[in-house]
Amino acid sequence: QVTLRESGPALVKPTQTLTLTCTFSGFSLSTSGMCVSWIRQPPGKALEWLARIDWDDDKYYSTSLKTRLTISKDTSKNQVVLTMTNMDPVDTATYYCARKFVDAFDIWGQGTMVTVSS
Amino acid sequence: DIVMTQSPDSLAVSLGERATINCKSSQSVLYSSNNKNYLAWYQQKPGQPPKLLIYWASTRESGVPDRFSGSGSGTDFTLTISSLQAEDVAVYYCQQYYSTLPTFGPGTKVDIK
Repeated sequence: QVTLRESGPALVKPTQTLTLTCTFSGFSLSTSGMCVSWIRQPPGKALEWLARIDWDDDKYYSTSLKTRLTISKDTSKNQVVLTMTNMDPVDTATYYCARKFVDAFDIWGQGTMVTVSS
Repeated sequence: DIVMTQSPDSLAVSLGERATINCKSSQSVLYSSNNKNYLAWYQQKPGQPPKLLIYWASTRESGVPDRFSGSGSGTDFTLTISSLQAEDVAVYYCQQYYSTLPTFGPGTKVDIK
């Protein structure tokens, strides 16, 4: 069974750096074609893709957020980590990680809600 | 970036009736070398993550009821729910994965009339 689970702080202060961890099971990020993405959703709003890391360690970032994002993986721990610098209240959202294998995002985590407030 | 738009923003349909959602991309998501449209549809119920319904524009994900169907090619796509059930109340998103930078539509909310 494929599962993904997001973890990280529920509350961060403005200007702080957010670090989120996606821990997954049921697949290997060493498998050719396998990718994990981060996607966020502000309350009541649409989905926004943030970043992706591939089995071969290729990385891709949202055009509008790429200066603030870093994605990495630890294949041995089955984890993908996203850091986002200089957090602002507009970054308040539920953050999801999702698997992509060849086509669309087929498996999603339950999401973790992050509030940015002083 | 490829911009995705959806229409309508919301719709209310009677139980058992057809619901149709449209999605348009700012450029073609049809990859000529394999003739596949890199377009997916997701369903999101309140408090839940999105669930993949359709990929390659018209292929149903395993376990998705056959009342859900996808069609279209190039830049214009449609998600059809042939006979709306109460459990289909949700927000539906289209998403392109043609680009290495995927983008989602703004969503269409489906309710019962």
